[in-house]
Amino acid sequence: AQSVTQLDSHVSVSEGTPVLLRCNYSSSYSPSLFWYVQHPNKGLQLLLKYTSAATLVKGINGFEAEFKKSETSFHLTKPSAHMSDAAEYFCVVSEVGRNNFNKFYFGSGTKLNVKP
Amino acid sequence: EAGVTQFPSHSVIEKGQTVTLRCDPISGHDNLYWYRRVMGKEIKFLLHFVKESKQDESGMPNNRFLAERTGGTYSTLKVQPAELEDSGVYFCASSQVIAGGQYEQFFGPGTRLTVL
Repeated sequence: AQSVTQLDSHVSVSEGTPVLLRCNYSSSYSPSLFWYVQHPNKGLQLLLKYTSAATLVKGINGFEAEFKKSETSFHLTKPSAHMSDAAEYFCVVSEVGRNNFNKFYFGSGTKLNVKP
Repeated sequence: EAGVTQFPSHSVIEKGQTVTLRCDPISGHDNLYWYRRVMGKEIKFLLHFVKESKQDESGMPNNRFLAERTGGTYSTLKVQPAELEDSGVYFCASSQVIAGGQYEQFFGPGTRLTVL
């Protein structure tokens, strides 16, 4: 079975400084990995996904993540935080189950606070 | 294109009452998923429809929960009778099927259920 660990429940950064949100996973297979973001009163929005192509994945709004199989990690980074990045971020591992349908396993979420 | 919508956004009921949550997926998406996030915990899978058929309901907590998707369009999730531990945010997601089985799920904003 899959599991996902987001190492920090809360991260606080100053505007203009780098963002690092950490995610480790366990998987019995070659995983697909996603990062989603949820702003208040909004649905979860896909930031980026890794599906066994390039290990460095670029997403929307300047975010990127690197898949490191040896470390079983998929950390999310951004060079310079913006106030609008304040939200909750979820790391997701996908397992292909029966009949080739995928099943999502979520981390517990990291709330990002951006200070002016 | 309209996203995934959920109704109601909030519901407050007393223990023992019945509540029905509704999800309207993106038009044309055959896959529909229900998830739940209990306070302080991770988002967990409840079940998966392909069109009107239940593909996987392994995450349903118990037989007080009943999900339907008549006609393969919108879905309802009924909780009867509701218990205190059912409180949480219920998310719905939908997706198309892409070759290889790894594809993005589009999420609704969730329904916050409070059982008193």
